[in-house]
Amino acid sequence: AQTVTQSQPEMSVQEAETVTLSCTYDTSESDYYLFWYKQPPSRQMILVIRQEAYKQQNATENRFSVNFQKAAKSFSLKISDSQLGDAAMYFCAYIWEETSGSRLTFGEGTQLTVNP
Amino acid sequence: SAVISQKPSRDICQRGTSLTIQCQVDSQVTMMFWYRQQPGQSLTLIATANQGSEATYESGFVIDKFPISRPNLTFSTLTVSNMSPEDSSIYLCSVGTREQYFGPGTRLTVT
Repeated sequence: AQTVTQSQPEMSVQEAETVTLSCTYDTSESDYYLFWYKQPPSRQMILVIRQEAYKQQNATENRFSVNFQKAAKSFSLKISDSQLGDAAMYFCAYIWEETSGSRLTFGEGTQLTVNP
Repeated sequence: SAVISQKPSRDICQRGTSLTIQCQVDSQVTMMFWYRQQPGQSLTLIATANQGSEATYESGFVIDKFPISRPNLTFSTLTVSNMSPEDSSIYLCSVGTREQYFGPGTRLTVT
């Protein structure tokens, strides 16, 4: 079974600094997708960034970038120039398509605090 | 990305009653998903709802407890039946095949 592990329950960063959130996953599949979602106190799940497993190039979205290490099954999120609005719970997620449909599997989450 | 709304946004219910949560999407989608997020925890998939067929439930979730309807390609409902305090959670619907987009969630408290 596919599993996603986030080993950092909580992280903190100073405003304008850089922080990296860790995620590892376990799968026997070769073609899949990885995501980082952000959940602020409003509880809305917001897609931050996605990575296709077949792409070697790491995805980047403005201040957010990933370090995707397929062989190590590692998928970390780097937030540069952290802002107060980045404070939220961050979830790493994995999905692959199977004949019965696709299933999104989430990690346990990392609570990010941004200190002014 | 699709715009997804959920009703109600929150509710407080008595033990033993049922609550139906609605999920509306602004475009036609094939697959809709329902998730549960218990307090302080991650999201767990309850079931996948395809239009015109019965929902597919994940291990640990049964139709009698969480009946789902999918009458058309833009709408779905999830009912939480015979509620107990353990059902107090946030319930979220989502749409998409690879990338999934989520509704704002329904915060349910059972007393």
